[in-house]
Amino acid sequence: KAGVTQTPRYLIKTRGQQVTLSCSPISGHRSVSWYQQTPGQGLQFLFEYFSETQRNKGNFPGRFSGRQFSNSRSEMNVSTLELGDSALYLCASSQGAGTGELFFGEGSRLTVL
Amino acid sequence: AQKITQTQPGMFVQEKEAVTLDCTYDTSDQSYGLFWYKQPSSGEMIFLIYQGSYDEQNATEGRYSLNFQKARKSANLVISASQLGDSAMYFCAMREPYSGGGADGLTFGKGTHLIIQP
Repeated sequence: KAGVTQTPRYLIKTRGQQVTLSCSPISGHRSVSWYQQTPGQGLQFLFEYFSETQRNKGNFPGRFSGRQFSNSRSEMNVSTLELGDSALYLCASSQGAGTGELFFGEGSRLTVL
Repeated sequence: AQKITQTQPGMFVQEKEAVTLDCTYDTSDQSYGLFWYKQPSSGEMIFLIYQGSYDEQNATEGRYSLNFQKARKSANLVISASQLGDSAMYFCAMREPYSGGGADGLTFGKGTHLIIQP
């Protein structure tokens, strides 16, 4: 059974650009959530989607957005990139919304120059 | 106040010894979930073990067990017979209900860097 797949694994952008990250959850999982990991702030919750609906959102500016498709795949977008957006972005999937175990992908490492 | 506290920034342990990683949490909810994850240098967060607040027995998964003491709000991870491959960052996390229904995102501790020495 394939795990959570995130693409791209590594990317470099410049300030002001935008970026889109993709996440394919484990087959059968309908919930996808996103986290940002930085050395200074640690791991922080971005948002969670279930059945194409955003159920919950962390304390991030509106430049951070996401969506989920009917096949449960999810994308997150960061517009007008800032240096502080450099981070490891992790996607996690679970069978139900807010229940049980969450399984993470390997992450997308974004560097903003 | 921090919701998840991991008091050990780093630990050195001899191979084959048992390891206990500390985690205390703070919540006023009755229903919550506690998680432990391992993060090697590659970056992937590897799920280790889960404990629901209503679970009466401590969770176990192979060499991992969770010492759940609800009254003390403690959820320590115990790794038996440590191996060199156990060297990694370990994160304790909690999931609570949120007002909109369902559950909130995970709140993570700052992690413990575990190094297993031969």
